[in-house]
Amino acid sequence: GAGVSQSPSNKVTEKGKDVELRCDPISGHTALYWYRQRLGQGLEFLIYFQGNSAPDKSGLPSDRFSAERTGESVSTLTIQRTQQEDSAVYLCASSLSGGRARTDTQYFGPGTRLTVL
Amino acid sequence: GNSVTQMEGPVTLSEEAFLTINCTYTATGYPSLFWYVQYPGEGLQLLLKATKADDKGSNKGFEATYRKETTSFHLEKGSVQVSDSAVYFCASSYSGAGSYQLTFGKGTKLSVIP
Repeated sequence: GAGVSQSPSNKVTEKGKDVELRCDPISGHTALYWYRQRLGQGLEFLIYFQGNSAPDKSGLPSDRFSAERTGESVSTLTIQRTQQEDSAVYLCASSLSGGRARTDTQYFGPGTRLTVL
Repeated sequence: GNSVTQMEGPVTLSEEAFLTINCTYTATGYPSLFWYVQYPGEGLQLLLKATKADDKGSNKGFEATYRKETTSFHLEKGSVQVSDSAVYFCASSYSGAGSYQLTFGKGTKLSVIP
């Protein structure tokens, strides 16, 4: 079946603009994750959704970042008033049940490369 | 919190050479350890994992052993192929609350030349 898809694959924006990044998880996966990878850095956890539970937003770097998920489907990550330090690859992943990573494999999308000029 | 350190790349090897990519971790408790691989143009894929000390994860000829005494999880392959060219990420997960979170290293780019 189809894997995790993300759109757009590339986004160039001007400082101060808002951007929306989209993630379509694997059908049937209840858990969804957003990660960020800045140049030369490892992936950083941003946010986690699992079913109808309150999301774990502990990784969001500032209140300019927010994310929503409709049921167990599409998620959007919104960055308001973008700054140059927001330039990164934003990766989405989904997993079947959202349990421990040791038993519940996360499947990643190809990412959205965001460049803030 | 957890952290993962892996060797800097890029690494360039000839086909059939032996590969080692070093990875060390710091964590409280007993994390699970993972290697993910990202082939050109694709998303990260789980390559192998180990969930407790002395476990060996293996897949596609790659192996890594969870060494608690040295806090390491080095990736090895005896004979690399051109198709192994990719970026490899070492990762760990918490053992307690937040155990769904993965903490990644910076990635090591491997290029295998014929």
